[in-house]
Amino acid sequence: GQNIDQPTEMTATEGAIVQINCTYQTSGFNGLFWYQQHAGEAPTFLSYNVLDGLEEKGRFSSFLSRSKGYSYLLLKELQMKDSASYLCAVRDQTGANNLFFGTGTRLTVIP
Amino acid sequence: DTAVSQTPKYLVTQMGNDKSIKCEQNLGHDTMYWYKQDSKKFLKIMFSYNNKELIINETVPNRFSPKSPDKAHLNLHINSLELGDSAVYFCASRQGESSNEQFFGPGTRLTVL
Repeated sequence: GQNIDQPTEMTATEGAIVQINCTYQTSGFNGLFWYQQHAGEAPTFLSYNVLDGLEEKGRFSSFLSRSKGYSYLLLKELQMKDSASYLCAVRDQTGANNLFFGTGTRLTVIP
Repeated sequence: DTAVSQTPKYLVTQMGNDKSIKCEQNLGHDTMYWYKQDSKKFLKIMFSYNNKELIINETVPNRFSPKSPDKAHLNLHINSLELGDSAVYFCASRQGESSNEQFFGPGTRLTVL
């Protein structure tokens, strides 16, 4: 099976940096994904990590440590539009390579 | 030119009814999915399907059945609807095994009364 944990809610200030953590346990790890979901909308892909280390894409970066079963999403220069839920998901080879999502972290950016 | 589309966007129905949600993708993707997102925003895989096989999450009741008339469509049929089926259902698609990104449809909010 799969077990994915992330904080339920976070609040950060516009212009600041925020780190959203995700820990996971899975038997057939085959990649970790971060998705962004604004209220009432569909999830959209942000990042993918399969090897250890940091992947940077503009203001967003994602880090993976496979030995620790740990990832984080780093958002820099926060903007009001970054207020959304951030979903951590793992792809599991034993689960037909499907994605298994955590419950998501609702980020609120305040002025 | 929507990539993944779903109809209807909202569906309100009575317990015991049978309903369908349609999904179409115009991306030429090989694999399509159905997810259920409950009131706590937990997004859970229900089915994955490509032209080779259907993978069913074992926790999904057999009242739910996906049907694919062609590669671009994966519709979701639900029989004997129950209150607990109320949720947002998302369709998604992905291009082959080598692609990492899944593209999600806009979702269908199902309310069972």
